[in-house]
Amino acid sequence: EVQLVESGGGLVQPGGSLRLSCAASGFTFSDYWMTWVRQTPGKGLEWVATIKADGSERYYVDSVKGRFTISRDNAKNSLYLQMNSLRAEDTAVYYCARDRTRLAYWGQGTLVTVSS
Amino acid sequence: QSALTQPASVSGSPGQSITISCTGTSSDVGGYNYVSWFQQHPGKAPKSMIYDVINRPSGVPDRLSGSKSGNTASLTISGLQAEDEADYYCSSYTSSSTVVFGGGTKLTVL
Repeated sequence: EVQLVESGGGLVQPGGSLRLSCAASGFTFSDYWMTWVRQTPGKGLEWVATIKADGSERYYVDSVKGRFTISRDNAKNSLYLQMNSLRAEDTAVYYCARDRTRLAYWGQGTLVTVSS
Repeated sequence: QSALTQPASVSGSPGQSITISCTGTSSDVGGYNYVSWFQQHPGKAPKSMIYDVINRPSGVPDRLSGSKSGNTASLTISGLQAEDEADYYCSSYTSSSTVVFGGGTKLTVL
């Protein structure tokens, strides 16, 4: 059974940093692109970033370029999102998902709140 | 990276059919066969319902179908059931090697 479990969310002040993790199991992690998607409370989905299976390609939504970094450790079956210079508008539930476009499986999400 | 355009809400009675549209541009929906549809119930994570325009993951009923014409993709649900009431989102690969979502559509089963 495919499982994706996010962690690392919490309350952080504007300008602060946070590192999200996503632990994957039930599939060969190193074979798949992985993606982060966020959802502002009560609003829609926003694609954030994606990383190729071997980590050689990474793509970001314009609003996080230069502030967020997606990475992965295939030996640990883990995906990460390093978030720096956080802003109030980054407040959202962050989901990790398997694949680049199909997004076949999703985690349960982790809430990031940026507030003073 | 403008969001794809979806109707804010649609509704139908049990047993009826509804269609949700998802309009983009030639740089996303119209340019690639990488349109996906997701169902999200309140407080839950999104669930894949359609991928690559027309394909259903295993376990998704064949009452759901996807299609595309030009820059507009569509999700059709036939034989509406109470359990279909949820938010639905489309997404598409883009010419910038990114993915863009639609704003979401709330489906109400009357």
